[in-house]
Amino acid sequence: EVQLVESGGGLVKPGGSLRLSCAASGFTFSSYSMNWVRQAPGKGLEWVSSISSTSSYIYYADSVKGRFTISRDNAKNSLYLQMNSLRAEDTAVYYCARGLGFGELADWGQGTLVTVSS
Amino acid sequence: QSVLTQPPSVSAAPGQKVTISCSGSSSNIGNNYVSWYQQLPGTAPKLLIYENNKRPSGIPDRFSGSKSGTSATLGITGLQTGDEADYYCGTWDSSLSANVFGTGTKVTVL
Repeated sequence: EVQLVESGGGLVKPGGSLRLSCAASGFTFSSYSMNWVRQAPGKGLEWVSSISSTSSYIYYADSVKGRFTISRDNAKNSLYLQMNSLRAEDTAVYYCARGLGFGELADWGQGTLVTVSS
Repeated sequence: QSVLTQPPSVSAAPGQKVTISCSGSSSNIGNNYVSWYQQLPGTAPKLLIYENNKRPSGIPDRFSGSKSGTSATLGITGLQTGDEADYYCGTWDSSLSANVFGTGTKVTVL
């Protein structure tokens, strides 16, 4: 059974930093692309970033480019999202998701809440 | 804002059928696979349809997907109260080099 467990969310002040982690199990992590998707309270889904299986290809939404960094450690079956210069509009539940193909997200974690507020 | 447009809401009685449209452009739906996701209240999204019309294991055949040109459609037949949820389409946008989601549609069972 595929399991994706996010952690690292919490309350942070504007301009602050936070690092999210996603622990993966139940599949060959090193064979799949991975993604971060967020959902602001009461809003729709917003894709944040994708990373290919070998980290060769990385993509970001314009809204986070230059502030967020996605990475992975295939030896630890883990995905990360380093978030810097956080803004109030970054407040959301952040989900990690296993990629099935371009634009297709097969499995999702339960999410971790990030709140940016003074 | 989203590049894929969905109706905000659709509704029907139990046992009936609903369809949800997803409108895009040649840079996204027109040249890439479409997927659909169901998000039950308070839970994470779940993949319902991938590669335009394929269902992952465990997804009942009451759910179907289709694509024509720059639009896609999700169909739900035999509507059940447990189908009340938000539904999102998604695809890759080749011009943006980004994953894109639809605006989301709330399904209500009357």
